[in-house]
Amino acid sequence: AQKVTQAQTEISVVEKEDVTLDCVYETRDTTYYLFWYKQPPSGELVFLIRRNSFDEQNEISGRYSWNFQKSTSSFNFTITASQVVDSAVYFCALTLSNDMRFGAGTRLTVKP
Amino acid sequence: GAVVSQHPSRVICKSGTSVKIECRSLDFQATTMFWYRQFPKQSLMLMATSNEGSKATYEQGVEKDKFLINHASLTLSTLTVTSAHPEDSSFYICSASYGVPSTDTQYFGPGTRLTVL
Repeated sequence: AQKVTQAQTEISVVEKEDVTLDCVYETRDTTYYLFWYKQPPSGELVFLIRRNSFDEQNEISGRYSWNFQKSTSSFNFTITASQVVDSAVYFCALTLSNDMRFGAGTRLTVKP
Repeated sequence: GAVVSQHPSRVICKSGTSVKIECRSLDFQATTMFWYRQFPKQSLMLMATSNEGSKATYEQGVEKDKFLINHASLTLSTLTVTSAHPEDSSFYICSASYGVPSTDTQYFGPGTRLTVL
């Protein structure tokens, strides 16, 4: 069975702090895809990144970076120098065989 | 690119009525569309997957007679909540992908908040 665990339910930081959102996944398949989505208060999910299981290279996009480690089945997401606009719920997801499974989400609050 | 719209964004209806929610891919042809349900402060739960021109595949526990899904074209899917009851009140979100569903990114609509009185 496939499963995504986001153990951090809520995180609160002060603006300009760095914050890491954890994601641990379970799957027996060797081919799968991992995603991160952002859901701001408006409700719409915003796609952030997709990573396939064969690509363990870390990625950086502006203030966002992702650390994919197959050895620990983790796909963690770091925001550096956080801003108030980063406040949202962040979902990690795993997909294979026409089936996307979401983690429970982490609610990030960035205070000014 | 990859914009998905939903209509309406909010709907309030009386118990027993039916509500139709539209999901459109605006700038691409969606081979597959997905319908999710999200309760307050919870994650997204997949309800069904639909491919254009074929019957939707429902997740276990989702009543197909209650949640009717039609995927009439490569850019439009509809979800009809039939004989809605207060427990159907939720945030319904659709998504669409234009490649192999298991590998391609799903792009999400803005969601529809349904309140059944």
